[in-house]
Amino acid sequence: GESVGLHLPTLSVQEGDNSIINCAYSNSASDYFIWYKQESGKGPQFIIDIRSNMDKRQGQRVTVLLNKTVKHLSLQIAATQPGDSAVYFCAEGSRRALTFGSGTRLQVQP
Amino acid sequence: NAGVTQTPKFQVLKTGQSMTLQCAQDMNHNSMYWYRQDPGMGLRLIYYSASEGTTDKGEVPNGYNVSRLNKREFSLRLESAAPSQTSVYFCASHVDGPQHFGDGTRLSIL
Repeated sequence: GESVGLHLPTLSVQEGDNSIINCAYSNSASDYFIWYKQESGKGPQFIIDIRSNMDKRQGQRVTVLLNKTVKHLSLQIAATQPGDSAVYFCAEGSRRALTFGSGTRLQVQP
Repeated sequence: NAGVTQTPKFQVLKTGQSMTLQCAQDMNHNSMYWYRQDPGMGLRLIYYSASEGTTDKGEVPNGYNVSRLNKREFSLRLESAAPSQTSVYFCASHVDGPQHFGDGTRLSIL
């Protein structure tokens, strides 16, 4: 089956800096992409999503960029805070059927 | 707002024992899902139910059965537990937007 992968398993940033988490996908038929945040002992928490007919979408302190040409997805977090420390997952497919990547751990240094 | 509620939160079984994991959502969502998450990996779909009365296999259905009891509840059953089924199990639901997850059941099989 198709797979979704992440370039970096662990990302360490300074508090206040911007964070960028990257994700590569391989299914060109995917029309929906989503980012989740998972804290220790909790379930995945929705952050932001984007349809394939868009290349950028912004939320509160977060931006998702989609480059369909190179099958690349990224999550940008502005002014990273200690509370942003978690594992971040990308997923692709459709709203009904998602394929998840293995996750990137974001560590925020004070 | 309870969202997606999973019970139990933790369980230890012996090989060969049976177990039912419960999931309930109070968001009036049509679709419900069961995933498993193994260390260092993303979520993998076990079974899903697109609507009340229907269920379909996902990526890793072997060793599991499901029941969509009503619109709110979707249970996952292990008939004869095996050590390979040691994992964290997540239930999710959605109707149109992103999937919403519970906080998981941590299952260990000895």
